[in-house]
Amino acid sequence: QKEVEQDPGPLSVPEGAIVSLNCTYSNSAFQYFMWYRQYSRKGPELLMYTYSSGNKEDGRFTAQVDKSSKYISLFIRDSQPSDSATYLCAMSDFFSNYQLIWGAGTKLIIKP
Amino acid sequence: DGGITQSPKYLFRKEGQNVTLSCEQNLNHDAMYWYRQDPGQGLRLIYYSQIVNDFQKGDIAEGYSVSREKKESFPLTVTSAQKNPTAFYLCASSTPISIKTPGSYNEQFFGPGTRLTVL
Repeated sequence: QKEVEQDPGPLSVPEGAIVSLNCTYSNSAFQYFMWYRQYSRKGPELLMYTYSSGNKEDGRFTAQVDKSSKYISLFIRDSQPSDSATYLCAMSDFFSNYQLIWGAGTKLIIKP
Repeated sequence: DGGITQSPKYLFRKEGQNVTLSCEQNLNHDAMYWYRQDPGQGLRLIYYSQIVNDFQKGDIAEGYSVSREKKESFPLTVTSAQKNPTAFYLCASSTPISIKTPGSYNEQFFGPGTRLTVL
């Protein structure tokens, strides 16, 4: 079993829909939870990060962490075609927060 | 403009050849990383360096080598010992990772990647 599980998709939704992307993990020591966005043939870029539990909102994006269930989510409201990309979750513990454990990435397609 | 550059964008290797991938950053970051990305898999850490003249193996270092002679540069050599090198290679850098304050995360900034194909 992988330490971080993420459905690779593709996930195809119409423009304007609310998108939910998820990752589950097994290591209870993880405290840093990141979402990176990767456009085709490009390097990933950090979208959001959350420390420990709770929610974090930034514009149309909301990151949610449920440590009791070992489950994290990224919600995208009013999705746009420009949101079409692969979304990677990554996480780490406090002592090695440079050694990220990555999900496989979910390919998201927003249809105009 | 500050950022990370990788070259070449595409690289083709023949069996038995060593090839070197370039990574340069002008963000004044101490830490640099090399990752490999395969379809359907997450990023896997090959090597990382926290400071000049020092580097550590990641999860999949076999068949790879690195050097860190300058702060700005962290080249990766894919040797002939790497049996399945076809992949997308990503270089990243971050601010010093020795500072451990609860809640702080040293964001990793990525380059555009090099796609390596074995012929």
